[in-house]
Amino acid sequence: NAGVTQTPKFRVLKTGQSMTLLCAQDMNHEYMYWYRQDPGMGLRLIHYSVGEGTTAKGEVPDGYNVSRLKKQNFLLGLESAAPSQTSVYFCASRGLAASYEQYFGPGTRLTVT
Amino acid sequence: GDSVTQMEGPVTLSEEAFLTINCTYTATGYPSLFWYVQYPGEGLQLLLKATKADDKGSNKGFEATYRKETTSFHLEKGSVQVSDSAVYFCALLNFNKFYFGSGTKLNVKP
Repeated sequence: NAGVTQTPKFRVLKTGQSMTLLCAQDMNHEYMYWYRQDPGMGLRLIHYSVGEGTTAKGEVPDGYNVSRLKKQNFLLGLESAAPSQTSVYFCASRGLAASYEQYFGPGTRLTVT
Repeated sequence: GDSVTQMEGPVTLSEEAFLTINCTYTATGYPSLFWYVQYPGEGLQLLLKATKADDKGSNKGFEATYRKETTSFHLEKGSVQVSDSAVYFCALLNFNKFYFGSGTKLNVKP
């Protein structure tokens, strides 16, 4: 039982390049979330999903897209990276209302130059 | 919109000192409240939670009470240890969305 995993762990992009971050969970959780963490700002919700095939916007969705084609995977895409997207990205998942606990992945450190 | 405000850090304490980290929130409806802890280089881990007014969450000597009248969820521990050094985040869950405070770094010195 690996919990929540994220790939890659580190990445450096040039402005304008694109990439996809992969989040995978093996707990059969319905909900999945993508956050970014910036110094002094805590975690901010980018997008989330309440089930396979669904996605919704969070606090800071601009410049990002997501997809949830399979229940266990939640992909975060950057179509044209900007230096303002330099951050640490965390994925999380949780089960239905009976369990409110979010389980977090280890994070992806992205630098855009 | 919904939001969480927590005291700025860093907070530096000696081992066995009493800890309080203040957290207040703004939310519509009836949110659930959480404290998470983050150790260097790791993701966040749930420390404790409370799902309705007057509930007290507790874990590993930490506790926090959901106070609806003051919209607060302050974290306390009676005697901190060096191993408690970490960043602590207050958060709320409302309508499937989580909102986090900016985090408070705690340094505990031997």
